[in-house]
Amino acid sequence: NAGVTQTPKFQVLKTGQSMTLQCAQDMNHEYMSWYRQDPGMGLRLIHYSVGAGITDQGEVPNGYNVSRSTTEDFPLRLLSAAPSQTSVYFCASSYSTVSGANVLTFGAGSRLTVL
Amino acid sequence: AQSVTQLGSHVSVSEGALVLLRCNYSSSVPPYLFWYVQYPNQGLQLLLKYTSAATLVKGINGFEAEFKKSETSFHLTKPSAHMSDAAEYFCAVRGNTGNQFYFGTGTSLTVIP
Repeated sequence: NAGVTQTPKFQVLKTGQSMTLQCAQDMNHEYMSWYRQDPGMGLRLIHYSVGAGITDQGEVPNGYNVSRSTTEDFPLRLLSAAPSQTSVYFCASSYSTVSGANVLTFGAGSRLTVL
Repeated sequence: AQSVTQLGSHVSVSEGALVLLRCNYSSSVPPYLFWYVQYPNQGLQLLLKYTSAATLVKGINGFEAEFKKSETSFHLTKPSAHMSDAAEYFCAVRGNTGNQFYFGTGTSLTVIP
């Protein structure tokens, strides 16, 4: 049981380049989300999905696209990278519980540097 | 809208001393609150969660947190710090939809031998 798998772990881009951060989960969780972690700012939600074919914006969606064609995969696309997108990105998944206290399962993170 | 505020971005304690990490929340509805821990170069993992079943919540590794509605607080404590507790700790609150979570800015805990 791998949990949440993110690739790549490290990436360096030049301004204007595009790339996709991959996220896959094998727990059959309906909810998936992407966060970025910046020093002094905690984690901020970029985009999330409540199921295949359904996505929505979080707190900081600008510059990022997502899609969810399957339950397992939730890639994050940077169409034209900017230095402000230098960050550590975390993918997380969760499922609904009777109590309502859905717990996030995080991937190990992807560290992105944009020059 | 829901939010959490963590007081103190850095906390240092001696090994064996009490650990107290502060979190205050803002929520228009009864909140679902969480504490997560992040060890260096790793993702976050759940320490404990509050679901209104009990105000004192026990988590892993000897941590616990008490929900105080009157103070809008959910502080994390551990009676005796261990070197392995050195990490970053995040308080979080669930958003209205259940799929969004809002995190505090984190508290880095240093344990001094």
